Amino acid sequence: QPVLTQPPSVSASLGASVTLTCTLSSGYSNYKVDWYQQRPGKGPRFVMRVGTGGIVGSKGDGIPDRFSVLGSGLNRYLTIKNIQEEDEGDYHCGADHDGESSFVVVFGGGTKLIVL
Amino acid sequence: QVHLVESGGGVVQPGTSLTLTCKASGFSFSDFSMTWVRQAPGKGLEWVAITSFYGSNKYYSDSVRGRFTISRDNSRDTLYLQMTSLGAEDTAVYYCARVHYANGAHWFDPWGQGTLVTVSS
Repeated sequence: QPVLTQPPSVSASLGASVTLTCTLSSGYSNYKVDWYQQRPGKGPRFVMRVGTGGIVGSKGDGIPDRFSVLGSGLNRYLTIKNIQEEDEGDYHCGADHDGESSFVVVFGGGTKLIVL
Repeated sequence: QVHLVESGGGVVQPGTSLTLTCKASGFSFSDFSMTWVRQAPGKGLEWVAITSFYGSNKYYSDSVRGRFTISRDNSRDTLYLQMTSLGAEDTAVYYCARVHYANGAHWFDPWGQGTLVTVSS
């Protein structure tokens, strides 16, 4: 199963842009990754799925156009443009590994986005 | 509107058992697989268990297999997580989520607000 690595934190100024990175472990470059947003004190919220070709499927309900994704090699990126105060929180990436008689979901450690 | 509400959390002693409940509304519950994910204080997300539409297929993380049981009652639109032999490492907020499947992969949407389980003597 893959291991997902995320930087612990990133900060960005109000109105600026920021790119969050989720890195898959070697050998899993074909895996899609799901991004989840978690605002302080709330449950996670699905943002969108990303593969090497970009977004897969649709964004989650209410996710603004300011959010976009890209995928390259082992990296899966979530970019937020024109950052707003409401974007502050933790961002988690996740991926599932579905075998013939097994199933597991792995998450990265999460990245805390601090809006300055 | 799709809604998931967890309940049943609390403070329990090590070695004891607890059952969590997730009440679903706003969608056809029996049409979706369901899952539990937990988050220890200040930590990231950890997937716990998943059940198929009618409960015929269930999978667990290595950390809970043999101690936790996921089940569902489609007549009551309710998902359960029976937890036994609880230890301090099980202290976490437990979330239930609806499972989607497409293009060979699964994702979780929406999630509930979570219920806190604290294992302490």
